[in-house]
Amino acid sequence: EPEVTQTPSHQVTQMGQEVILRCVPISNHLYFYWYRQILGQKVEFLVSFYNNEISEKSEIFDDQFSVERPDGSNFTLKIRSTKLEDSAMYFCASKEGRSYNEQFFGPGTRLTVL
Amino acid sequence: ILNVEQSPQSLHVQEGDSTNFTCSFPSSNFYALHWYRWETAKSPEALFVMTLNGDEKKKGRISATLNTKEGYSYLYIKGSQPEDSATYLCAFDSNYQLIWGAGTKLIIKP
Repeated sequence: EPEVTQTPSHQVTQMGQEVILRCVPISNHLYFYWYRQILGQKVEFLVSFYNNEISEKSEIFDDQFSVERPDGSNFTLKIRSTKLEDSAMYFCASKEGRSYNEQFFGPGTRLTVL
Repeated sequence: ILNVEQSPQSLHVQEGDSTNFTCSFPSSNFYALHWYRWETAKSPEALFVMTLNGDEKKKGRISATLNTKEGYSYLYIKGSQPEDSATYLCAFDSNYQLIWGAGTKLIIKP
């Protein structure tokens, strides 16, 4: 069964460093998403991506964040200069079409900023 | 600010018993409501996508109802089994993003 994959499963970085979180969505899906969950808090929407551009982003998704689909397969989230408060579980999701489809989630990347 | 509430926060249920929990969401700008099941260290797994007022969906022993006018959905589990232990998340779909509840953590006691 097709699934969304994410790498790495755990990333530890120093404050101020850049990180790139990688996701491979399901191959025929057209809509892509990043979410995060800070420990003990709700899952939060970061950004949605369709047709090679951002469709929607939350207030969390400031200039430090960027997303890219560099090769038609990977979908990446870059945090340019990490802060302690960026420590969270980051989930990628993909969806087949615009209608009422469920989003399929990857297993997440745990980012720890020291 | 759109807010999604789930209750209870956690629930201990005896194996074999049935249970249910609630998701409350804004009744305006409704597009869809999603239920997910999330086990630790695994990907959240989609259970249902509900769109119409009065919708009722079923998957095995799990079912869900939807009331968009008053802004709530119930998830029911009949005859709980140990493998039902997980966190159950609902998410309000505004057509652009999912707004999540905090989840109900269900623990089934053998």
